Amino acid sequence: QKEVEQNSGPLSVPEGAIASLNCTYSDRGSQSFFWYRQYSGKSPELIMFIYSNGDKEDGRFTAQLNKASQYVSLLIRDSQPSDSATYLCAVGSNDDYKLSFGAGTTVTVRA
Amino acid sequence: DADVTQTPRNRITKTGKRIMLECSQTKGHDRMYWYRQDPGLGLQLIYYSFDVKDINKGEISDGYSVSRQAQAKFSLSLESAIPNQTALYFCATSAGAGSPLHFGNGTRLTVT
Repeated sequence: QKEVEQNSGPLSVPEGAIASLNCTYSDRGSQSFFWYRQYSGKSPELIMFIYSNGDKEDGRFTAQLNKASQYVSLLIRDSQPSDSATYLCAVGSNDDYKLSFGAGTTVTVRA
Repeated sequence: DADVTQTPRNRITKTGKRIMLECSQTKGHDRMYWYRQDPGLGLQLIYYSFDVKDINKGEISDGYSVSRQAQAKFSLSLESAIPNQTALYFCATSAGAGSPLHFGNGTRLTVT
């Protein structure tokens, strides 16, 4: 059973602060890593993907991957109320038929 | 227009009824998936298909069946709906192994 674990929420941050989300995975053969944002009652929306160790930045989002530690994180800079959502970490490998999802971390950005 | 379209968006049905949820996609992806999501829980895989002749069970396939009518269409049926199948259902597509999933807008199903 491939496991993906996320830090339990909810995570509350003030507007303008950095929200830090963590995800660990059990399958050392994992090669693709994704972060999805899901608003309540809506479908998951892909916001970041990363395949190589290190940092990847896209706007206010930064994904960090450390394969040796089996750890992937998402930083949201200058958090806005519109960032209030549940963030899902998903992990995949090239020889697997599906992505494994974490249970999600709910983020609330307070004005 | 959405790349992955699910119908209906909402459905209320009674215990014992057979219902079908439909999914169509314009992304040209071969891989299609059905997931369910319960409040506070993660996404659970029901069925997946890599092409029209390839159908596979996921983690929670009991009580469900699927049909891949074409590369672009993948439907999910509940043979005899029960209340604990009340959930949010998502169809998704993927270009291949290691690629992200692209989700439809979801179907909220309530079984009374």
